[in-house]
Amino acid sequence: NAGVTQTPKFRILKIGQSMTLQCTQDMNHNYMYWYRQDPGMGLKLIYYSVGAGITDKGEVPNGYNVSRSTTEDFPLRLELAAPSQTSVYFCASNPTNGELFFGEGSRLTVL
Amino acid sequence: AQKITQTQPGMFVQEKEAVTLDCTYDTSDPSYGLFWYKQPSSGEMIFLIYQGSYDQQNATEGRYSLNFQKARKSANLVISASQLGDSAMYFCAMRGLSGGSNYKLTFGKGTLLTVNP
Repeated sequence: NAGVTQTPKFRILKIGQSMTLQCTQDMNHNYMYWYRQDPGMGLKLIYYSVGAGITDKGEVPNGYNVSRSTTEDFPLRLELAAPSQTSVYFCASNPTNGELFFGEGSRLTVL
Repeated sequence: AQKITQTQPGMFVQEKEAVTLDCTYDTSDPSYGLFWYKQPSSGEMIFLIYQGSYDQQNATEGRYSLNFQKARKSANLVISASQLGDSAMYFCAMRGLSGGSNYKLTFGKGTLLTVNP
């Protein structure tokens, strides 16, 4: 029972580089989310999706892009990485009114 | 818009005692759900308990119970018989259930609970 799978778990980027955080879920959930968690802080919503082909901005979308071509996958793209994007990133999904199921997190450092 | 407030950055409790973690919320959605998550030092997010705004009784899950006071807009988490493994960050969160943009899960800043032996 895989649940929500994120890759990579750790990554170091140089300023200006780009990368994609992968997220896939096998629970057939329509709703998917990307959050970031800065040290000692709560989770802030970056982008979310209510189904394949539909995405929308959350609280802190600048510097990120997403796509949702399938129900299962919701990749997060970082363009021109900046030190302010150093954080732990969580992907999550949920059925219509249930609790969120989280991935294990991806720790990103931008130097 | 939704807002979650956790006013206790840190809490200490003795092993085997009960502890209450505070959470207040604000929302314009007439129907909503309240959640508590635990984040141990290993970093994963663990779902603990859920309370719907129209649920007649307070939610309970093992040693966890949710003290839901709708008129005061509070949803405090009560952990009974604390264990050393309960030491973690605890997040309160909510989601609107009436559709629209409020269905997104909004988190508080968290409370760091330390259980002392």
